[in-house]
Amino acid sequence: DADVTQTPRNRITKTGKRIMLECSQTKGHDRMYWYRQDPGLGLRLIYYSFDVKDINKGEISDGYSVSRQAQAKFSLSLESAIPNQTAFYFCATSDLGRLGYTFGSGTRLTVV
Amino acid sequence: AQSVTQLGSHVSVSEGALVLLRCNYSSSVPPYLFWYVQYPNQGLQLLLKYTSAATLVKGINGFEAEFKKSETSFHLTKPSAHMSDAAEYFCAVSEPQAGTALIFGKGTTLSVSS
Repeated sequence: DADVTQTPRNRITKTGKRIMLECSQTKGHDRMYWYRQDPGLGLRLIYYSFDVKDINKGEISDGYSVSRQAQAKFSLSLESAIPNQTAFYFCATSDLGRLGYTFGSGTRLTVV
Repeated sequence: AQSVTQLGSHVSVSEGALVLLRCNYSSSVPPYLFWYVQYPNQGLQLLLKYTSAATLVKGINGFEAEFKKSETSFHLTKPSAHMSDAAEYFCAVSEPQAGTALIFGKGTTLSVSS
């Protein structure tokens, strides 16, 4: 099984719909992150979390919210999806001591 | 805040030629630097990372990168390109002010022709 699992892998949704992307990890890492990837822009940080009680906005948090339900679970929500949120979304965890980062396989989200 | 700049959004080389992908960083503290590769429709794979040990870092698939503080650079090289190296490459820096999140450059697409 993958260390960082993202669901769904692909999703097409309509403008205005609420959608949740889920991320779970078996690494035992405290820190988790959500990124968005767009062609030509690289990966940009949406939110990050130190632990269940500590959640912080990243570079592009507008239009997104997150929930850290447990150490192992970190969900990203789009409350009212819009077409320019069409992108690849990646979840990641980190081991601060070893500077090791583990990425999920990503979710391809299309908003029509 | 830390940042990285990748020079050249697209690099084309012939098979067997030297690969050089450029990355410059901006950092107020000693940086931790990374190179990742992404093949089409796949996730990110770590090539190598610099964590203040040796300045010349060797990675997987024959890639290496040299940390040069005086030039604020961390360029990625491979002596001889292979067709299978065609992919997108990302340079990243660990940002202490964002929970050590990785801050990525915009990426460089490497094309390899026969």
